[in-house]
Amino acid sequence: DVKVTQSSRYLVKRTGEKVFLECVQDMDHENMFWYRQDPGLGLRLIYFSYDVKMKEKGDIPEGYSVSREKKERFSLILESASTNQTSMYLCASSLNRLGETFYGYTFGSGTRLTVV
Amino acid sequence: QKEVEQDPGPLSVPEGAIVSLNCTYSNSAFQYFMWYRQYSRKGPELLMYTYSSGNKEDGRFTAQVDKSSKYISLFIRDSQPSDSATYLCAMSRNTGGFKTIFGAGTRLFVKA
Repeated sequence: DVKVTQSSRYLVKRTGEKVFLECVQDMDHENMFWYRQDPGLGLRLIYFSYDVKMKEKGDIPEGYSVSREKKERFSLILESASTNQTSMYLCASSLNRLGETFYGYTFGSGTRLTVV
Repeated sequence: QKEVEQDPGPLSVPEGAIVSLNCTYSNSAFQYFMWYRQYSRKGPELLMYTYSSGNKEDGRFTAQVDKSSKYISLFIRDSQPSDSATYLCAMSRNTGGFKTIFGAGTRLFVKA
């Protein structure tokens, strides 16, 4: 089974802190994604990466950055956490290379981040 | 107008009922249509995947895509309490999946 592992299930951080969310996938998938999920708003794409050291902004990148130094690992960084970044953060991966058929995502279990 | 509309529910049905979940969309360029199931405090898991129009069946689950009406459905036959979850529709308009759009999700309760 493909596994996408997020390092923390629950996190509580203070406003202004720098926060790192880690994600590791074990099936050699090409692409990795970070989403946030909020009630009534669904899943919104923050950033994605289609190759090592490559990153692309999604729909809501403000206040976030990412790092992909190795194929299996994709980190989301909140530069200075704010209360409006309290959310469920979901990491996902997909196998296909650019231009190949897409067969959906494999998601991690999520990190519920609370910023106080 | 949102690109994908999905009734958030909640939808409550008795065990054994046939469940119908639906999404409408506005962008005719979508080619890949998916349904994800998400249990409470878990990440979504891919349940059904369809390319273009047509039906796909997997056990008790059937996914339908009607591109002419811009309407997709998920049917669950003989629903079970273990089907209680949030169901998310999702659509993608290119082969990379890099711009997948998700519905807000429908919360389903199946009562024993």
